This record gives sequence, C-alpha cells and structure tokens, in this order.
Amino acid sequence: QVQLQQSGAGLLKPSETLSLTCVVSGGSLSGYYWSWIRQPPGKGLEWIGEIDHNGNINDNPSLKSRVTISVDTSKNQFSLKLTSVSAADTAVYYCAKVSRTSSGPKWLDPWGQGTLVTVSS
Amino acid sequence: DIQMTQSPSSLSASVGDRVTITCRASQNIIAYLNWYQQQPGEAPKVLIYAASNLPSGVPSRFSATGSGTDFTLTISSLQPEDFATYYCHQSHSTPQTFGQGTKLEIK
Repeated sequence: QVQLQQSGAGLLKPSETLSLTCVVSGGSLSGYYWSWIRQPPGKGLEWIGEIDHNGNINDNPSLKSRVTISVDTSKNQFSLKLTSVSAADTAVYYCAKVSRTSSGPKWLDPWGQGTLVTVSS
Repeated sequence: DIQMTQSPSSLSASVGDRVTITCRASQNIIAYLNWYQQQPGEAPKVLIYAASNLPSGVPSRFSATGSGTDFTLTISSLQPEDFATYYCHQSHSTPQTFGQGTKLEIK
C-alpha cells in the first residue's frame, strides 16, 4: 500500500523559498502523476500542480511561475518549491498520488500527512 | 478555470439522518468529479471517485450520482464519524479545482 511522507521547513520569512519533499513508499513513482495541494488555515483546498516520473508537469497558473515541482526517481520522491513567499502562502501543504481509471477520471489518493508552512516576519 | 460550487456550505443534522450535498461545475466535466471527507487536523480522504464509485473500505451508506455539471453526494444514515467537512473536486481540466466545502455538524 502506497504511503506518502512529507518533510520540509515549517516557518519561513517573507521572500524566502518554500521547499517540501514527499517520499513515496510501498510503490513506484512510475506510471502515475503525483500532486501538491494546499489549504490555508480554516479555508478550502487549492490545487498547486502535478508531476509524473518523467518530469511532465501540469501546474496552476494562479501561482504565477513561483512554483517548481520536481521528481527524483532514484529516491522515489517528488518535491515542491515556491519562491518569494508571503503571508498569503501560509497553509497546510499536502502531497498526494493521482490515481486514475483506464478511461481517464483521476482522483487524489492517498494523501501525505500535511505540513503546516507559516510565513511570518 | 472551472468553478465548483457546493451547497450548502454548512449543514446541521442528527445521527441517523439522510443528507445530501450538491456540487455544480461551471462547465461540463463529464464524470471527472470526486468527493473527499476531511476530519479536523487530518488530510482529506477520497469518498467517491469518478462521480459515483466507492473506493474499497468506504461504507455503503455513502453514494453519489451525477454527470456533466450537477453532482450529489448522499449519506443515507449519518453516523457519528461522518461529521466532517466534505469537498468536491474536478479533475477534468487544469487547473484542477475544489468546491468551497460543506461542513456537516451535529444538531
């Protein structure tokens, strides 16, 4: 059974770079997309983007090129970097596996445990 | 972007009640619609995928229907562990988007 374990810094100052990693255990990165989602405190979910094992990426234009998603197949992990953070980027960040049927529909399962990232001076 | 509108935003109900949550997409998303349940302090968990499919392990009191732009999630008989926040999610188009959530509270 696939499990995702997140790691990364939880407290940043404005203008710094957020960096998170999600290690996949119990399965390979191959054949799937892997996603990042965030949730500001007390608010809803925002999709950040996804990457496959070949490095093909789909991302959210709302983050205006501040996002870099990468994959390291040798370590069975994928990562998120978000540059020039501000208080508006304070959120719980989740990683997730993109599961899908053969006909196309896809969903997020399982999810990592979440990492609260707080941006404060 | 495809806008996902859930209703209601909050709902009070009692154990044993039947409840329905709706989700409307601003464009046709066929059946690329998922439902998640989120307990406080936890990551969301998938309840329904591809509009009407229950993953293994999800109780059969959960069901869902819909296609195109209108979708519903039904809980046939509320249990204490069902009081949580529910989100719909479209995976038809990039960027993927979520509904604003429906908080289900105990009456």
